[in-house]
Amino acid sequence: GAVVSQHPSWVICKSGTSVKIECRSLDFQATTMFWYRQFPKQSLMLMATSNEGSKATYEQGVEKDKFLINHASLTLSTLTVTSAHPEDSSFYICSAPARDRGSYEQYFGPGTRLTVT
Amino acid sequence: GQQLNQSPQSMFIQEGEDVSMNCTSSSIFNTWLWYKQDPGEGPVLLIALYKAGELTSNGRLTAQFGITRKDSFLNISASIPSDVGIYFCAGQKDSNYQLIWGAGTKLIIKP
Repeated sequence: GAVVSQHPSWVICKSGTSVKIECRSLDFQATTMFWYRQFPKQSLMLMATSNEGSKATYEQGVEKDKFLINHASLTLSTLTVTSAHPEDSSFYICSAPARDRGSYEQYFGPGTRLTVT
Repeated sequence: GQQLNQSPQSMFIQEGEDVSMNCTSSSIFNTWLWYKQDPGEGPVLLIALYKAGELTSNGRLTAQFGITRKDSFLNISASIPSDVGIYFCAGQKDSNYQLIWGAGTKLIIKP
């Protein structure tokens, strides 16, 4: 299967600072990537769809000015949490569709644990 | 947002037992996917289903795409300790790849 990496795997930051999370497709190109957040014991919640070369599409209730997404190349999307607050502490996961066995399947990164103090 | 109905929410089983979980929806999906997530990790794809009625196996795992395209099940035979984790179903309706998720089934193996 395809491989998606994320960096960093965990980060602790102070309230009011910004944090950037990277999502890379390692062995395939991804014109589309997805960003999710997951709270403890809950399912994944889609935040936004990242599109290479164009603006991201945000889900209802997700502040685009707070969660900045840049998809500058076919293998890299970044999520920047601006002016982070403790309530932004969560597990952030990205995914990308890759063609495998003739159809597209979504592959996930290992996630980034963000803790805002 | 929309979510699939996944059950059971959790399962407590003995090692060696078979496991069955399912997902249902009120709407039709073109693709059903089953993922496993370990603590602190991203979901890992287990099985992908593309056709109504399709039955696919991956080792001890077997999943089926319901004939109505509104449901899917996942079976795990002869469970082992490393099967512990949370299993999620996900449905995909069209080519924009966006997934609709179930709430997850937590599998716990009794000592």
